[in-house]
Amino acid sequence: QKEVEQDPGPLSVPEGAIVSLNCTYSNSAFQYFMWYRQYSRKGPELLMYTYSSGNKEDGRFTAQVDKSSKYISLFIRDSQPSDSATYLCAMSGGSYIPTFGRGTSLIVHP
Amino acid sequence: ETGVTQSPTHLIKTRGQQVTLRCSSQSGHNTVSWYQQALGQGPQFIFQYYREEENGRGNFPPRFSGLQFPNYSSELNVNALELDDSALYLCASSADRPPYEQYFGPGTRLTVT
Repeated sequence: QKEVEQDPGPLSVPEGAIVSLNCTYSNSAFQYFMWYRQYSRKGPELLMYTYSSGNKEDGRFTAQVDKSSKYISLFIRDSQPSDSATYLCAMSGGSYIPTFGRGTSLIVHP
Repeated sequence: ETGVTQSPTHLIKTRGQQVTLRCSSQSGHNTVSWYQQALGQGPQFIFQYYREEENGRGNFPPRFSGLQFPNYSSELNVNALELDDSALYLCASSADRPPYEQYFGPGTRLTVT
């Protein structure tokens, strides 16, 4: 079992939909949780990070962490075709070195 | 503020050869990490450098080695290239406070034939 599990998709949604992206993990030492967006043939771009459990909102993006269930989510409201990309979750503990999921491919069609 | 830059953008090497990849960290960041990203996978941690010293290493063999220079730029060297080394190699520099979130460069795409 991998430390971080993420469904590769692809997830295809119509423009304007609410998107839900999720990861599960097994290491209870993880305390920092991050979401990255990666366009094709580009480096990952940090979208958001959260510490411990709870919610964090930034514009159309909301990150949720449930440490009791070892489950994190990223919600995208009013999705746009420009949101089409691969979304990577990452998490770290005391070493601060992140462990990444394999990424979920998101396609938002007009 | 200058972001993370990497060179070259892509290159093709033959099995058994050696390769050197280069990275310039984001302004003000003194920690650099290297990752290998195979197609369809997430980035895998290779190693990290802090103030010119190796500060952590992932599950990669010794033929993967690195350097960090006084200006915090870095190199990744891979000897005796294997076909499975074909991947996107990413460099990331870290902020100077927890959680030391990482900012990535555009990557170098290496193809080994």
